[in-house]
Amino acid sequence: AQSVTQLGSHVSVSEGALVLLRCNYSSSVPPYLFWYVQYPNQGLQLLLKYTTGATLVKGINGFEAEFKKSETSFHLTKPSAHMSDAAEYFCAVSEGLTGGGNKLTFGTGTQLKVEL
Amino acid sequence: DAGVIQSPRHEVTEMGQEVTLRCKPISGHDYLFWYRQTMMRGLELLIYFNNNVPIDDSGMPEDRFSAKMPNASFSTLKIQPSEPRDSAVYFCASSPWTENTEAFFGQGTRLTVV
Repeated sequence: AQSVTQLGSHVSVSEGALVLLRCNYSSSVPPYLFWYVQYPNQGLQLLLKYTTGATLVKGINGFEAEFKKSETSFHLTKPSAHMSDAAEYFCAVSEGLTGGGNKLTFGTGTQLKVEL
Repeated sequence: DAGVIQSPRHEVTEMGQEVTLRCKPISGHDYLFWYRQTMMRGLELLIYFNNNVPIDDSGMPEDRFSAKMPNASFSTLKIQPSEPRDSAVYFCASSPWTENTEAFFGQGTRLTVV
């Protein structure tokens, strides 16, 4: 069965500092991997996804993630944090569904705090 | 497109009452998912539909929970009778029938059972 582990339920960075949110996955087949962001009282919004092809994936708001099969990781990074990045971030894995589509299994989330 | 639309956004009900949550997926999407989010358990998949047919309901916690999708543009999640431990945020999401695609989430319904 597929699963995701997010290390660190809370991460705090200074504005302008590097953001690194960790995600490790377990999957019996080549996975599809996703990062979502959730702002307070909002739904989940896709930041980026890895399906096939280039292992370094760029997303919205300056975020990127690198798929490393050997490490079963898909860590999320941003070179310079902004106050508006404060939110909860979820990593998700999918093994795909027969006939297309994806059933996502989510990690427990990482709350990012950005301080002045 | 307006995205996935859920109603109501907030629901407060008394224990024992019936609760119905509603979802309108994005037009043309073949899959519909219901998730529940709690502090203790995070985001859990409850059930999903493909072309209006329930495919996997193994995440539905108890028989008190039921979900239907009578047509491609509408789904309901019903809890009867409701209990305080059902308090959570319930999300509906939809996705098209293509590989390499993500699920699109609604704003959620925050349910409080008192």
